[in-house]
Amino acid sequence: EAGVTQFPSHSVIEKGQTVTLRCDPISGHDNLYWYRRVMGKEIKFLLHFVKESKQDESGMPNNRFLAERTGGTYSTLKVQPAELEDSGVYFCASSRSGSTDTQYFGPGTRLTVL
Amino acid sequence: GENVEQHPSTLSVQEGDSAVIKCTYSDSASNYFPWYKQELGKRPQLIIDIRSNVGEKKDQRIAVTLNKTAKHFSLHITETQPEDSAVYFCAATDYKLSFGAGTTVTVRA
Repeated sequence: EAGVTQFPSHSVIEKGQTVTLRCDPISGHDNLYWYRRVMGKEIKFLLHFVKESKQDESGMPNNRFLAERTGGTYSTLKVQPAELEDSGVYFCASSRSGSTDTQYFGPGTRLTVL
Repeated sequence: GENVEQHPSTLSVQEGDSAVIKCTYSDSASNYFPWYKQELGKRPQLIIDIRSNVGEKKDQRIAVTLNKTAKHFSLHITETQPEDSAVYFCAATDYKLSFGAGTTVTVRA
């Protein structure tokens, strides 16, 4: 089966600009997660979708971040306006069921805000 | 929320030796503990996991142990090979993963 894909692989933008990241989960996986790793630190949870519904968005840093999953398939994560501290690698993961089912990670999008 | 601490942050071992990475967690509700390996420029890949009803699990050269009472779990890699060089992340969860900061493992040939 095809793995989780993310687009773009890299994005370099200036402070104040907008960026939209996309994640395509494994087909049939209802659960989709966004995570972020800031340089040298741990991978941190951002939010969790079950199908098109946000199950938990407790990790979203602030209201400059907006995630959507219309139709319960792919998801987008928009950062508007981007700030320097938003730089990092954004990972998407998906799992067939929630709870303790294995989460499969995408390759990540490296975001650099200048 | 869950807090996972991982040690050491870097680990250099001679090829053929063993490597051990230790993690502690804070939330007694966590019941699933996966380990991910991330090679340079690649995605994190699950290498082994353990659930709270099991104390130890082994898969070839990799083993994981879990002590629920002490809230710690460890990854053991035996007979290390150069391809084991990567960043290893532990995680704990009851549904959303809380990760440790990662251990950069370097296997010296």
